[in-house]
Amino acid sequence: EVQLLESGGGLVQPGGSLRLSCAASGFTFSSYAMSWVRQAPGKGLEWVSAISGSGGSTYYADSVKGRFTISRDNSKSTLYLQLNSLRAEDTAVYYCAKDGGDIVRDGFDYWGQGTLVTVSS
Amino acid sequence: DIQMTQSPSSLSASVGDRVTITCRASQSISSYLNWYQQRPGKAPKLLIYAAASLQSGVPSSFSGSGSGTDFTLTISSLQPEDFATYYCQQSYSLWTFGQGTKVEIK
Repeated sequence: EVQLLESGGGLVQPGGSLRLSCAASGFTFSSYAMSWVRQAPGKGLEWVSAISGSGGSTYYADSVKGRFTISRDNSKSTLYLQLNSLRAEDTAVYYCAKDGGDIVRDGFDYWGQGTLVTVSS
Repeated sequence: DIQMTQSPSSLSASVGDRVTITCRASQSISSYLNWYQQRPGKAPKLLIYAAASLQSGVPSSFSGSGSGTDFTLTISSLQPEDFATYYCQQSYSLWTFGQGTKVEIK
């Protein structure tokens, strides 16, 4: 059974940093691209970042480029998102999501339960 | 950047109704269009990928169609568990979600 378990969310001040983790199990982690998707309170879904199975290719939404860094440790089956220079508008539930393949564009077939990041002074 | 526009933003329907949601892309995305369902407080669930392919385990009451810039999600007979918010997503150039369509009970 595929499982994705996010952690690392919390309350952080504007300008601060946070690192999110997503522990994966139930599939061959290195064979699949992974993404982070966020959802601000009461709002819709926003794709944030993606990384290929090997970790060699990374992709970012314009809204986070230069501030967030996606990475993965295939030996630990874990996905990460480093959030720097946080702003109030980064407040959201952050989901990790599994691609249907290695950037095959067939949607995100499994999602974690999400971790809440709140940016406030 | 590719923009995705869903319509309507919300709709009210009864159990048993046929429901159609549309999604329009700001440029051609071929068939790189996916649909998700999100129930309150839950993570999204993939329903349809590649515009018309039903994800494993999803009821056949859900179907998708379209290509290029115009796409539809159809629920042939609305069930109580189908009241949720639905999102389209393009995967032609990076990934972009539509703003969502909330399906409420009439």
